[in-house]
Amino acid sequence: EAQVTQNPRYLITVTGKKLTVTCSQNMNHEYMSWYRQDPGLGLRQIYYSMNVEVTDKGDVPEGYKVSRKEKRNFPLILESPSPNQTSLYFCASSWERSTDTQYFGPGTRLTVL
Amino acid sequence: AQSVTQPDIHITVSEGASLELRCNYSYGATPYLFWYVQSPGQGLQLLLKYFSGDTLVQGIKGFEAEFKRSQSSFNLRKPSVHWSDAAEYFCAVGAGLTGGGNKLTFGTGTQLKVEL
Repeated sequence: EAQVTQNPRYLITVTGKKLTVTCSQNMNHEYMSWYRQDPGLGLRQIYYSMNVEVTDKGDVPEGYKVSRKEKRNFPLILESPSPNQTSLYFCASSWERSTDTQYFGPGTRLTVL
Repeated sequence: AQSVTQPDIHITVSEGASLELRCNYSYGATPYLFWYVQSPGQGLQLLLKYFSGDTLVQGIKGFEAEFKRSQSSFNLRKPSVHWSDAAEYFCAVGAGLTGGGNKLTFGTGTQLKVEL
């Protein structure tokens, strides 16, 4: 089954404790992206990747890091999480670019205390 | 910079009634336009998209949208709403081919409630 998976689905952590949210897709897509969803703000793009070793900032990259060492994986790293990073995070992938149909993961709800 | 405005935060309709969700965009060239739907507790799913050709676009689940360049709008419509259509709907704009197609900008969403 074609899908985008994210882990963990729910995470509660404390300020400053490094964490990684994994994202994996099995569709051989070149484009992958991370979004955060906050009430009243919709989805905002954090980082995206056009291919292996090619990443770039979205609209709200501060406080986040990503890497793309393999085509299927695109982890989101929070080196020192803060409460304002409490949010619902979505990973998405598409064939070549953001304007191709994007397939979204189920989301990761992160709470930073 | 591209942007999207969805002026209605919440909309309530009765089952069987028609639906129109509004979307206005700002983009300097020919945009790619999308409607995505998010059911409770789920990720987003593409309903339809427009990038050229016929300005009336048909999507899944009986939805359609019309691109009106003069009004910078891409409103979503459905002639008869079903209770299962209750969800949050997001309009999005992306750069065309000349813009590299790297970034997708979403609106803030419209929450649809369906009364039985």
